[in-house]
Amino acid sequence: GAVVSQHPSRVICKSGTSVKIECRSLDFQATTMFWYRQFPKQSLMLMATSNEGSKATYEQGVEKDKFLINHASLTLSTLTVTSAHPEDSSFYICSASSGGAITQETQYFGPGTRLLVL
Amino acid sequence: QKEVEQDPGPLSVPEGAIVSLNCTYSNSAFQYFMWYRQYSRKGPELLMYTYSSGNKEDGRFTAQVDKSSKYISLFIRDSQPSDSATYLCAMSPLGAQKLVFGQGTRLTINP
Repeated sequence: GAVVSQHPSRVICKSGTSVKIECRSLDFQATTMFWYRQFPKQSLMLMATSNEGSKATYEQGVEKDKFLINHASLTLSTLTVTSAHPEDSSFYICSASSGGAITQETQYFGPGTRLLVL
Repeated sequence: QKEVEQDPGPLSVPEGAIVSLNCTYSNSAFQYFMWYRQYSRKGPELLMYTYSSGNKEDGRFTAQVDKSSKYISLFIRDSQPSDSATYLCAMSPLGAQKLVFGQGTRLTINP
């Protein structure tokens, strides 16, 4: 159980285009989803936390107008990188939890999406 | 100073050895401590989950938390080549799901 999928697994796009990444919880209802970014040989950095049906909470330094997050249902969250630039190239990973923002539930991670912006 | 410090390695040991991985942290509010394993180009997989201080064992893996020293450890006994991966420690305060990760230690088990 507790499977989280991401699509696409890899995407290459031109600078200036927008890219949408989907994160799905396959066998449980994800009240809360998290989006992380991981640069090579570095740790996961939390970008934002989203709860179903409400606006995402962004971490300091993350541009909310550039990284649009939608959590429309209990099994789906999307991250859209708008007007992507080469410096946005990274490994984007989502995680999902059945708990609310103030409960202590395990986060289950997706397999990640590798974004390369040319 | 980072909230969570973890030696990035790389760490290379022979098969069968006992591996010790460690993290230190500065935030005394952290109450939940986790170890994740991440294979190359994959998402992290939860290995161990510990609340507050103490030890927890699961098969070949043992997690230790020493809150007085702000120090956590993961021990791997009878290490196997399939254990080769990056190991990330993560922690969070009570009542919050936000995880703070260490940098990750790259581990290679040589046959």
